Amino acid sequence: GAVVSQHPSWVICKSGTSVKIECRSLDFQATTMFWYRQFPKQSLMLMATSNEGSKATYEQGVEKDKFLINHASLTLSTLTVTSAHPEDSSFYICSAAFRDSVNSPLHFGNGTRLTVT
Amino acid sequence: AQSVSQHNHHVILSEAASLELGCNYSYGGTVNLFWYVQYPGQHLQLLLKYFSGDPLVKGIKGFEAEFIKSKFSFNLRKPSVQWSDTAEYFCAVNAPQAGTALIFGKGTTLSVSS
Repeated sequence: GAVVSQHPSWVICKSGTSVKIECRSLDFQATTMFWYRQFPKQSLMLMATSNEGSKATYEQGVEKDKFLINHASLTLSTLTVTSAHPEDSSFYICSAAFRDSVNSPLHFGNGTRLTVT
Repeated sequence: AQSVSQHNHHVILSEAASLELGCNYSYGGTVNLFWYVQYPGQHLQLLLKYFSGDPLVKGIKGFEAEFIKSKFSFNLRKPSVQWSDTAEYFCAVNAPQAGTALIFGKGTTLSVSS
């Protein structure tokens, strides 16, 4: 079945540094990938929608200069948390939909636990 | 834009009890509806989905959900829960023709005692 791979699964970084999270669709082409953030005991909040070859669309309240998203190919999207601060500590999850299949259920990566010290 | 409301924040049941978790959405157009489960320490897993057709959808692990269009609801049910069903349950909706992302409800924590 379709698999979305997310790397790393967890990362600890110092305040002020940047962290890159990769999201890959392993056996299908994903025109669109979505990035979510989940705080402890809360739901997933959509951060941005990433379309291959174009700029990401950010949800209201999400700083695009802080959370840089690049979707350079149909199988890879990256989220870079720049100048991370402790309040950026969270669980980040990507998801991807099959290309040309708006009805396909989104497949989720395993998530990345980011801890900023 | 769509929104999703899950009525129950925390549900506590004994094994073999029946389960129903409420989910309502707001959107005037065509929607796809999903229920996801997140077991402690694990990632999201799809329980079931509704795109079209029979409004009663059967999923994995004995779960089912019924889409009632007039009520904008998609409640999750299971006739007899097990201790292993203890998890967080999320209802989600997207609007396929609008090409939108999944929007999640706030989730319901289910605790099943043996």
